Amino acid sequence: AQSVTQLDSQVPVFEEAPVELRCNYSSSVSVYLFWYVQYPNQGLQLLLKYLSGSTLVESINGFEAEFNKSQTSFHLRKPSVHISDTAEYFCAVITAGGTSYGKLTFGQGTILTVHP
Amino acid sequence: SQTIHQWPATLVQPVGSPLSLECTVEGTSNPNLYWYRQAAGRGLQLLFYSVGIGQISSEVPQNLSASRPQDRQFILSSKKLLLSDSGFYLCAWSRGNYNEQFFGPGTRLTVL
Repeated sequence: AQSVTQLDSQVPVFEEAPVELRCNYSSSVSVYLFWYVQYPNQGLQLLLKYLSGSTLVESINGFEAEFNKSQTSFHLRKPSVHISDTAEYFCAVITAGGTSYGKLTFGQGTILTVHP
Repeated sequence: SQTIHQWPATLVQPVGSPLSLECTVEGTSNPNLYWYRQAAGRGLQLLFYSVGIGQISSEVPQNLSASRPQDRQFILSSKKLLLSDSGFYLCAWSRGNYNEQFFGPGTRLTVL
């Protein structure tokens, strides 16, 4: 069975500092990986995804994540955060061929708090 | 473009009362549809998914049921709510399997 571990439940940082949110998954087959962001009392928004191709994927607001197959990781990074990046971030994985509908398994979430 | 709607946005219901939450998707056809519950500090739990009209699969045994009466409509129901049904309910859709899911704005349910 696939599982996703987000290693930090909370990450406090100062504005303009770099940040890394860590995500590891367990699966012995091909995976599709996602990062979602959730602002208070809102639904989840897709931040970026890895389906195939380049292992480094980027979002439109400066986040990037790198798929590392050997370390089974998909860490999220941003070189300089803004106050507006304060939110909860979820890593998620679909295991190819695991089920007929592509079950999306989520990590427990990391709350990123950016301080001025 | 595709949009997903959920209503109501918030709901306060007494224990033992019925429940009906609705989700609709616009701008696509034959989507996969999903219901999740997000309880405080417990991440997202998949409740139901549907790959077509009238086709519902349940992920966990519970006090809830789901129906898909139309291609782009997904309904979450309960005959008698429990305190433990409180939470944030999210509907999502995807284009077939092994693709990203897109989430609605959610419904905050409080059972008193």
